[in-house]
Amino acid sequence: GAVVSQHPSRVICKSGTSVKIECRSLDFQATTMFWYRQFPKQSLMLMATSNEGSKATYEQGVEKDKFLINHASLTLSTLTVTSAHPEDSSFYICSARRFRQETQYFGPGTRLLVL
Amino acid sequence: TQLLEQSPQFLSIQEGENLTVYCNSSSVFSSLQWYRQEPGEGPVLLVTVVTGGEVKKLKRLTFQFGDARKDSSLHITAAQPGDTGLYLCAGGRRTSYGKLTFGQGTILTVHP
Repeated sequence: GAVVSQHPSRVICKSGTSVKIECRSLDFQATTMFWYRQFPKQSLMLMATSNEGSKATYEQGVEKDKFLINHASLTLSTLTVTSAHPEDSSFYICSARRFRQETQYFGPGTRLLVL
Repeated sequence: TQLLEQSPQFLSIQEGENLTVYCNSSSVFSSLQWYRQEPGEGPVLLVTVVTGGEVKKLKRLTFQFGDARKDSSLHITAAQPGDTGLYLCAGGRRTSYGKLTFGQGTILTVHP
């Protein structure tokens, strides 16, 4: 199998606070993890690519200082939304892939609501 | 931008009908993934195809990868309400550092 977990599944926070989302590959080592954002009834929008032990690569238009990504081990990546604002409210999904494989396995997603 | 055009965007059918979703590109992919996503959940992998002309079957779902590896289709036979969801195709390239190119998605609603 290829199971990816995310925590928390949903979070509500006040504007100006920071929120950390964890993504874990439970039964395989993930050399690369990806973070996506998804708006209702739309496809996935890639935010950044995270490789274990190196800095994340951000897509154009994504603020790296606002969305901090850390990939400290082959099974864990974290996304921290810093100084969250209501416009950051969204569904955030992570995925992971094995070394040299193209298939990505997705986590269950995290619903973030910033008040 | 290497696009993957997915169609139709919306599909509303009655239980028992057949349907086909298409993904087309002008570029070659080394792999093509199909995912199904339900509201509030992450996408679940249905299949990966990697060989041109490859056909894979998963119960009532048939996936095909075009001979030139530029297009793919998903055919569902005798659709059921449980098939309702967002279907996403995603193409991979060995030169893309693991990134996938996603289609726009197809929202399928199967009415009882």
